[in-house]
Amino acid sequence: GDSVTQMEGPVTLSEEAFLTINCTYTATGYPSLFWYVQYPGEGLQLLLKATKADDKGSNKGFEATYRKETTSFHLEKGSVQVSDSAVYFCALSDWGGSEKLVFGKGMKLTVNP
Amino acid sequence: DGGITQSPKYLFRKEGQNVTLSCEQNLNHDAMYWYRQDPGQGLRLIYYSQIVNDFQKGDIAEGYSVSREKKESFPLTVTSAQKNPTAFYLCASSPTPGSSYNEQFFGPGTRLTVL
Repeated sequence: GDSVTQMEGPVTLSEEAFLTINCTYTATGYPSLFWYVQYPGEGLQLLLKATKADDKGSNKGFEATYRKETTSFHLEKGSVQVSDSAVYFCALSDWGGSEKLVFGKGMKLTVNP
Repeated sequence: DGGITQSPKYLFRKEGQNVTLSCEQNLNHDAMYWYRQDPGQGLRLIYYSQIVNDFQKGDIAEGYSVSREKKESFPLTVTSAQKNPTAFYLCASSPTPGSSYNEQFFGPGTRLTVL
């Protein structure tokens, strides 16, 4: 079945550090890929998405590129801020399957000033 | 403002009791979902509904029940058959079932604790 594997952390960075969160997937069809963010005590918010190979999603300084050849969708940000402290989830929705989202286990990021 | 509301934010239940978690959306979305979140396990799908009066089991449906009598409402009942119900429950919705392009919009969650 479909699955998502991502770095689990927790990770602690200093403000202005570079961030990479690795995400790889296994899917039977041609998935759309998503990054969601969850701030403490809240629900999930969509951070960015990509629906086909080589698409780059971007939002709030975060970027991720859909790499079909490596089945990856790594999240990057060049300079993190304290306000980026949250849990980050990689997810896929498989075109050949159902509309359900399959999530990775999430990675908790703490950014210190 | 359009969005998804969940109530209550915190819920306490005694063992052996059924409890119902509310989820309402005013986004006019067709599909709605319930997830359970446990520390270190990500989100797991409990039930989902693509249309009014129809719903399907997700990966961990045992001990839960749902109804979808109205497009905007998708309540979740945690029954006494659920052996370990303490968790954070998230409701979500998406515009069009059957499309992988859909993002899902999430509510703020309900934290259920069994005493």
